[in-house]
Amino acid sequence: EIVMTQSPASLSVSPGEKATLSCRASQSVSSNLAWYQQKPGQAPRLLIYIASTRATGIPARFSGSGSGTEFTLTISSLQSEDFATYYCQQYMRWPSFGGGTKVEIK
Amino acid sequence: EVRLVESGGGLIQPGGSLRLSCAASGLSVSSTYMSWVRQAPGKGLEWVCIIYNDGRTYYADSVRGRFTISRDNSRNTLYLQMNGLRVDDTAVYYCGRVGHGYTIDSWGQGTRVTVSS
Repeated sequence: EIVMTQSPASLSVSPGEKATLSCRASQSVSSNLAWYQQKPGQAPRLLIYIASTRATGIPARFSGSGSGTEFTLTISSLQSEDFATYYCQQYMRWPSFGGGTKVEIK
Repeated sequence: EVRLVESGGGLIQPGGSLRLSCAASGLSVSSTYMSWVRQAPGKGLEWVCIIYNDGRTYYADSVRGRFTISRDNSRNTLYLQMNGLRVDDTAVYYCGRVGHGYTIDSWGQGTRVTVSS
């Protein structure tokens, strides 16, 4: 089983600032890494796949980077609608998700 | 536009059975990979199972032998038969279309399953 660890667990950011979220895999997943956004009471939404490819309709302020075991999701200028919980997911082996990073308003 | 609507959740006693449904529109469940993902209360996400367009199925270790994913092509509906339910199966269950690799690019709104005596 590949264990995904996200940090920090929560992040307080002011609107307009940049947010950097980290995800680490217990073994290499190459670029088989996705990011999702989830708001309370809603289903997750796919943001990024293949570590850095934005899904359809995702704004350019969301960017993903990394390969192997270390990955980053960057939100360049936080908008009010971006305050949510973000999950990484590997699909190198049976899919597994990280524990999430909650991005809160500062 | 893809739309997935789950139903069938509810309160069930440990050891009981439940069948979840996911009615699809805007896609054909027989032509794509489909999955169930669950989220325990206040917890993260867990990939439960997947069905390929050729009918092959795969399961998480935690549900193998108890859960069965299937589809009805004529109804364009995905199912999850859950037997031998345990308290730790309590979660919101989402159906989803599998996109690139094993990612979910379209999600239903979820249906809540509570296993409790």
